[in-house]
Amino acid sequence: SQTIHQWPATLVQPVGSPLSLECTVEGTSNPNLYWYRQAAGRGLQLLFYSVGIGQISSEVPQNLSASRPQDRQFILSSKKLLLSDSGFYLCAWSPWGGQAYSNQPQHFGDGTRLSIL
Amino acid sequence: RKEVEQDPGPFNVPEGATVAFNCTYSNSASQSFFWYRQDCRKEPKLLMSVYSSGNEDGRFTAQLNRASQYISLLIRDSKLSDSATYLCVVRWMDTGRRALTFGSGTRLQVQP
Repeated sequence: SQTIHQWPATLVQPVGSPLSLECTVEGTSNPNLYWYRQAAGRGLQLLFYSVGIGQISSEVPQNLSASRPQDRQFILSSKKLLLSDSGFYLCAWSPWGGQAYSNQPQHFGDGTRLSIL
Repeated sequence: RKEVEQDPGPFNVPEGATVAFNCTYSNSASQSFFWYRQDCRKEPKLLMSVYSSGNEDGRFTAQLNRASQYISLLIRDSKLSDSATYLCVVRWMDTGRRALTFGSGTRLQVQP
């Protein structure tokens, strides 16, 4: 069965510090991968998605970036965090597979709660 | 107008009650529909997909109305453990980006 791992679970960082959140998926090949952010009391906002190694699409311009160095690894980074970067960051995956995938839901990792001081 | 709109609630219902949530979406090219459940400070978890003909999973029934662009979730015989935020989720294909668009959620509180 497929599993998704995301870490760390909680992170407290000062303003201006760098960030690296990591997500890995097991039990599947060539998944679609996603990073979302959820601000307190708000809905999920898609940040990045990837359909393959080295292929990253950005949904919202900001000081975050994403990379996919391996098929099942997705990394969210920032060189300098802002106060507004606080939130609950979620990695998700869905199966790859053309039109057949379209009815496939996404499955989320446990999330990283990021607080910027 | 939001792409996916939900009544934020909270819906406070007694145990055993039947409760229904609606969700409207703006993009007629929407392809797939889901209900997710999110417990406080946890990740969203898939509750059920929503099919054109409507579908049922135990106490949960989902309906889709493409003409009016809304989906619904009906929960029968509510349990205390049903207390959570229910997220309406839509995927549309016209952008090709294969990501989901989430509503902000409807909070349900089932009371003893």
